[in-house]
Amino acid sequence: GQNIDQPTEMTATEGAIVQINCTYQTSGFNGLFWYQQHAGEAPTFLSYNVLDGLEEKGRFSSFLSRSKGYSYLLLKELQMKDSASYLCAVLDSNYQLIWGAGTKLIIKP
Amino acid sequence: ETGVTQTPRHLVMGMTNKKSLKCEQHLGHNAMYWYKQSAKKPLELMFVYSLEERVENNSVPSRFSPECPNSSHLFLHLHTLQPEDSALYLCASSQERGGPDTQYFGPGTRLTVL
Repeated sequence: GQNIDQPTEMTATEGAIVQINCTYQTSGFNGLFWYQQHAGEAPTFLSYNVLDGLEEKGRFSSFLSRSKGYSYLLLKELQMKDSASYLCAVLDSNYQLIWGAGTKLIIKP
Repeated sequence: ETGVTQTPRHLVMGMTNKKSLKCEQHLGHNAMYWYKQSAKKPLELMFVYSLEERVENNSVPSRFSPECPNSSHLFLHLHTLQPEDSALYLCASSQERGGPDTQYFGPGTRLTVL
């Protein structure tokens, strides 16, 4: 079967750095997405990786290793507004998105 | 208005009621999706429409009935729901289906079935 694993919940301190991991086992791979979802709001697109390596976008970076079936989202200089759920999703060989259950990130002052 | 909108934002209904959820996208996309989001579970894809044609139906119970009258509008008709159907229902759109296009989501309808 197809599976996406990410931690259920993480806690970090304002101003610090946090890394949210995502491992996947899917039938084929056509890219990996990260979305951010604040409570009661729509998921919003953060990043898309299809090649190995690190993609940096401001305070957020996303890393992919296809050989390891592994990605992480790195958030730097954490702000209180970064408190949200972070969803990892993989496009399989049929271009269907397989979703993880999301990681709830709690930022403390 | 831009992006993807959904109405209503909140809905409480009894098991014998009939209601409809509405989604509208203003992005000129050709594909639209209905998802169910339950607490601590992955997003569950329910239906996919591409150019107004239903192309995917992931074993969803018949008490959920989608309708796509044009490429900008998507409905989810609900009837005789069960309490376990209580969840956040999200609509999304993308430029095309079947490619690495980013999906854009609406804010969702929080549904409670009593």
